[in-house]
Amino acid sequence: DTGVSQDPRHKITKRGQNVTFRCDPISEHNRLYWYRQTLGQGPEFLTYFQNEAQLEKSRLLSDRFSAERPKGSFSTLEIQRTEQGDSAMYLCASSLETGTYNEKLFFGSGTQLSVL
Amino acid sequence: EDKVVQSPLSLVVHEGDTVTLNCSYEVTNFRSLLWYKQEKKAPTFLFMLTSSGIEKKSGRLSSILDKKELFSILNITATQTGDSAVYLCASKGAQKLVFGQGTRLTINP
Repeated sequence: DTGVSQDPRHKITKRGQNVTFRCDPISEHNRLYWYRQTLGQGPEFLTYFQNEAQLEKSRLLSDRFSAERPKGSFSTLEIQRTEQGDSAMYLCASSLETGTYNEKLFFGSGTQLSVL
Repeated sequence: EDKVVQSPLSLVVHEGDTVTLNCSYEVTNFRSLLWYKQEKKAPTFLFMLTSSGIEKKSGRLSSILDKKELFSILNITATQTGDSAVYLCASKGAQKLVFGQGTRLTINP
């Protein structure tokens, strides 16, 4: 499978615990995005990387959230001291940015987080 | 703040009907508008539009962009139960993709 992979598919945790999600993008893609989606809403932008550089973070992203893409390949999203409001689907997407307007994002199947 | 608004939020029709889904956008440094279909988990890509007035078509689905009115529509003709899904519209500015709330389409047999 050469698509975007996310792990785990589901995560149940207790409030206050830390969680970490992993995303493996399509191999030649230089951009990687994290989105969050709650029921009945469209995906909400969290942050994105071009290669290993984190270029933008949403103002909605609290300091409990941190993302890395250490070698410009896979990425991790960590949430510290989880809260019930963090319960959502966390989607990763990747794309090949070539400087034209033709960038298409390809999404992984997401990690469903439930905070009890 | 970049914004994408879709309408209707929910639509229920009978198999065989034609539907039109709407998307309006306000995006700084607009680059493209994309449509995705989301059935269970991952949104899957349908269309990308960058130029006004040029219809993109794939089978029973088609889409068009109006850059003057900041608007796009997605048409589905002869709907089938397999078309039931959430349809997401997203607009890309200089950097990120901004999504609308989605339209939940239900096709009844």
